[in-house]
Amino acid sequence: DGGITQSPKYLFRKEGQNVTLSCEQNLNHDAMYWYRQDPGQGLRLIYYSQIVNDFQKGDIAEGYSVSREKKESFPLTVTSAQKNPTAFYLCASSISQSLSHEQYFGPGTRLTVT
Amino acid sequence: GQQVMQIPQYQHVQEGEDFTTYCNSSTTLSNIQWYKQRPGGHPVFLIQLVKSGEVKKQKRLTFQFGEAKKNSSLHITATQTTDVGTYFCAGPMNNYGQNFVFGPGTRLSVLP
Repeated sequence: DGGITQSPKYLFRKEGQNVTLSCEQNLNHDAMYWYRQDPGQGLRLIYYSQIVNDFQKGDIAEGYSVSREKKESFPLTVTSAQKNPTAFYLCASSISQSLSHEQYFGPGTRLTVT
Repeated sequence: GQQVMQIPQYQHVQEGEDFTTYCNSSTTLSNIQWYKQRPGGHPVFLIQLVKSGEVKKQKRLTFQFGEAKKNSSLHITATQTTDVGTYFCAGPMNNYGQNFVFGPGTRLSVLP
């Protein structure tokens, strides 16, 4: 059963702690993305990766870090430097980063930082 | 930078009524994608439009790409409660970029 998985679904952390969100895909997709969604808002791009060992900053990369050591995995770390980390985080993948390909989204992780 | 706007932000309709959401870009788009996000869920790809003036239909949904390729619309005929959700359009960030920028979405509520 192919798809994208994100874990956990809900995550609670204390302010000042780093937290890593998992994203795994078995679709054999080259490109992967991380988006942030705030209540009633659209999606904002945090980071993206075209191939293994390569990633680029999106529109709101400050306070976040990523790695792409394996094609299947693209974890996102929300660092203590992120001012407003509470949000819904969505991971996505596409066959390639060509603009003609659709993005497949994971179920998301709701992060709450208090 | 390139901006994608959508109107309306919210739309409440009675079941059976039609619904339309509009997507406008500040620049010409090579293509445009539409996604649907159910409440509490994640975005799901609906369709991609590429050609100027293109019209595509999926059952009760009709998608249109403007002649100037700067705007698009999604029209739902005879809405059903299963249509509830937020509809996003997404356009390429620029001619050289490799990412899409998403509009803010239109949230549709359907009253039974």
